[in-house]
Amino acid sequence: DTGVSQDPRHKITKRGQNVTFRCDPISEHNRLYWYRQTLGQGPEFLTYFQNEAQLEKSRLLSDRFSAERPKGSFSTLEIQRTEQGDSAMYLCASSLAGRNEQFFGPGTRLTVL
Amino acid sequence: GESVGLHLPTLSVQEGDNSIINCAYSNSASDYFIWYKQESGKGPQFIIDIRSNMDKRQGQRVTVLLNKTVKHLSLQIAATQPGDSAVYFCAEMGGGSYIPTFGRGTSLIVHP
Repeated sequence: DTGVSQDPRHKITKRGQNVTFRCDPISEHNRLYWYRQTLGQGPEFLTYFQNEAQLEKSRLLSDRFSAERPKGSFSTLEIQRTEQGDSAMYLCASSLAGRNEQFFGPGTRLTVL
Repeated sequence: GESVGLHLPTLSVQEGDNSIINCAYSNSASDYFIWYKQESGKGPQFIIDIRSNMDKRQGQRVTVLLNKTVKHLSLQIAATQPGDSAVYFCAEMGGGSYIPTFGRGTSLIVHP
């Protein structure tokens, strides 16, 4: 257990529905990252926050995706109008600013039917 | 575009043998490299890292070698144990970015 938790661990939804995932980072970590991972591939960066500010977004983050970190602690990732191609593992990681080592949560596995 | 990749998708070894997992990278601006281990149902776990001003770094039972001339790094695991069975990813960072770019994983299978 790295200290980063994600909820839910699994989510099955129908195409067109909205889903929201939560990440609770290690409490003293001010950076929080979201990644997407498909089978056999490495994680792909989506976005990251430093405290409550969203500092970088990947071009993979379409307008159906939105992430927030309102109080600089936990974060949510919402996917609107889900598509089958959104099926993947969504990973959250946290780190201290200026430190390269990121600590990953267990991920939320999304299946879009 | 530039990318990070792995030579072998699956590596099978006997318990007690040494394992070597290889990774090629193409971004010459990368100056920091990381190896992650990912067990089934878990997120990636940091194993060891190395900066571009080094060519070797050792940890507990693991060694990372970096060859900048051919843009290659490897992860050596000594006395491989069944608990080492997992998917291993290399990742590279550079240009002041804190966002790692991951390559495709190598599945390590350790037979008892």
